[in-house]
Amino acid sequence: KQEVTQIPAALSVPEGENLVLNCSFTDSAIYNLQWFRQDPGKGLTSLLLIQSSQREQTSGRLNASLDKSSGRSTLYIAASQPGDSATYLCAVMEAAGNKLTFGGGTRVLVKP
Amino acid sequence: AAGVIQSPRHLIKEKRETATLKCYPIPRHDTVYWYQQGPGQDPQFLISFYEKMQSDKGSIPDRFSAQQFSDYHSELNMSSLELGDSALYFCASSLVGLAGARDEQFFGPGTRLTVL
Repeated sequence: KQEVTQIPAALSVPEGENLVLNCSFTDSAIYNLQWFRQDPGKGLTSLLLIQSSQREQTSGRLNASLDKSSGRSTLYIAASQPGDSATYLCAVMEAAGNKLTFGGGTRVLVKP
Repeated sequence: AAGVIQSPRHLIKEKRETATLKCYPIPRHDTVYWYQQGPGQDPQFLISFYEKMQSDKGSIPDRFSAQQFSDYHSELNMSSLELGDSALYFCASSLVGLAGARDEQFFGPGTRLTVL
């Protein structure tokens, strides 16, 4: 059974610092990996999708890497802003099926 | 751009009542997914439909059923509600297509169900 873990569970940084969020998964037979942002009580906003054949994806200040063989993905957010404060979730889609298995999320606070 | 629409946004029910949640996918998306997110928990997959047929099933209680209609909207029917069913219910949609590509899932704003 696929298990997804995110470390740290919470992170607090001053504005301007770079953020590094980690995601690990136990079964490397994945189809893709998605990073989401969730504001309190709100829906999930898709940030980046990495296919299993890719090693990284970039969108603006966001960069996500994927090392499928070691079961790891990292989300980098450059020059953090208070508006980046949210919970960030990673989710993997296995090679078989189309469901997403989520990690527990990292709660980020960017202090002005 | 059009997003996934869910209704209602909030729902309050008593124990043992029934509830129906609706989901309208992004236009031209052929696959819908339902997830349940309990308080302080990560989303858990319930069920998905592709072209009106169930395509995958997760930890969905037998008291719940779902279907996808000819216009691709989906409904999640929940009966004999329990206190533990209180959660945020998300619908997501994606375009799978004939080639069977499993693309990015886009989530709706969720329906917050409170069972009293």
